[in-house]
Amino acid sequence: AQSVAQPEDQVNVAEGNPLTVKCTYSVSGNPYLFWYVQYPNRGLQFLLKYITGDNLVKGSYGFEAEFNKSQTSFHLKKPSALVSDSALYFCAVRPRGSQGNLIFGKGTKLSVKP
Amino acid sequence: SAVISQKPSRDICQRGTSLTIQCQVDSQVTMMFWYRQQPGQSLTLIATANQGSEATYESGFVIDKFPISRPNLTFSTLTVSNMSPEDSSIYLCSVRGDGETGELFFGEGSRLTVL
Repeated sequence: AQSVAQPEDQVNVAEGNPLTVKCTYSVSGNPYLFWYVQYPNRGLQFLLKYITGDNLVKGSYGFEAEFNKSQTSFHLKKPSALVSDSALYFCAVRPRGSQGNLIFGKGTKLSVKP
Repeated sequence: SAVISQKPSRDICQRGTSLTIQCQVDSQVTMMFWYRQQPGQSLTLIATANQGSEATYESGFVIDKFPISRPNLTFSTLTVSNMSPEDSSIYLCSVRGDGETGELFFGEGSRLTVL
């Protein structure tokens, strides 16, 4: 079965420190990869996606993600965390040839402390 | 990008009643997706709604429980029928950006609490 794993339920980071939110996937072929953020009582906001090409993808709010094909991973990163980055982060994949649906991970809560 | 408006944003409902959620998009789209996000859980696709045809439901979701309408290319409704406390969730409408690689855009969600 196709799946997305976010192994950490919560990540705690001090403001100003780098952050990493992990994501691995089990999807055949070369899927498209996405990251979303959800702030409390809000819908999901798109951060970035990997389609092809450079393994390092840059997105909104200073976030970036690194694609690693051999490890089937797509970890989200930011060099310097802000308190306002505290939110729920979802990794998602779309198999190539799919109509549009995304398969989501269970989410990782990021907490950035001052 | 697409701007998606959902109504209601939240509601408290009684067991056994039904509630219809509306989703309005600011542009014409072929497919609209309805997701459910149960408390503390990830997003699960309920169905894909195409204009002019019956919605396609995912495993575990049936039309009698979650009837969907798609009268035109900018609007859809999802009804949660005969609600029970297990239906307490956030229901999210989404549309896809251009092409197979397009990201999904989401509405703000409708948070339902069933007593």
